[in-house]
Amino acid sequence: GESVGLHLPTLSVQEGDNSIINCAYSNSASDYFIWYKQESGKGPQFIIDIRSNMDKRQGQRVTVLLNKTVKHLSLQIAATQPGDSAVYFCAEKDSGYALNFGKGTSLLVTP
Amino acid sequence: ETGVTQTPRHLVMGMTNKKSLKCEQHLGHNAMYWYKQSAKKPLELMFVYNFKEQTENNSVPSRFSPECPNSSHLFLHLHTLQPEDSALYLCASSTRDSLQETQYFGPGTRLLVL
Repeated sequence: GESVGLHLPTLSVQEGDNSIINCAYSNSASDYFIWYKQESGKGPQFIIDIRSNMDKRQGQRVTVLLNKTVKHLSLQIAATQPGDSAVYFCAEKDSGYALNFGKGTSLLVTP
Repeated sequence: ETGVTQTPRHLVMGMTNKKSLKCEQHLGHNAMYWYKQSAKKPLELMFVYNFKEQTENNSVPSRFSPECPNSSHLFLHLHTLQPEDSALYLCASSTRDSLQETQYFGPGTRLLVL
């Protein structure tokens, strides 16, 4: 069936390095993609989104890249900080209401 | 996070109890959602309401009963739950139009069923 998944369940990076979190999706009809950050004890927090008519979008210290050919999404975090430690989810949707979430990648930033 | 609030934040209930979860959004959105988040599983969509009308029920057992009295409030009524229903229940809201589909989440209610 259609699914959204993450390549790596955990990622450990040193403070100041760049982080890259990857996500694969299988629904060819997906036209909207979102990255969320979830800290312990909190709900998912919106980071950045991208539509299928774009292949790159930048925010503050974050960049999302979309490769529709291989159905791959990535989140790049520049100069990773301890406060970036959290679980990161990608999600996709088509024209329906539902957001389909991946299982999440745990990012650990070490000093 | 203050745009979507949820109460209570933590709830412990027995299998014969009846309880309700409450969600309120202060963002002027017209769609509201209930999700279930279990350990090591993706977020699971449970219900969707658009302009107070339920538009999606994702094969959720009848022991979960949603209620949406207006576009700002959403409830999840619980009765005769099972231990496997223990999870984090998340509420979200969004504006349902073609330009803005981001869903904003509340902090969740951590539910433990004994």
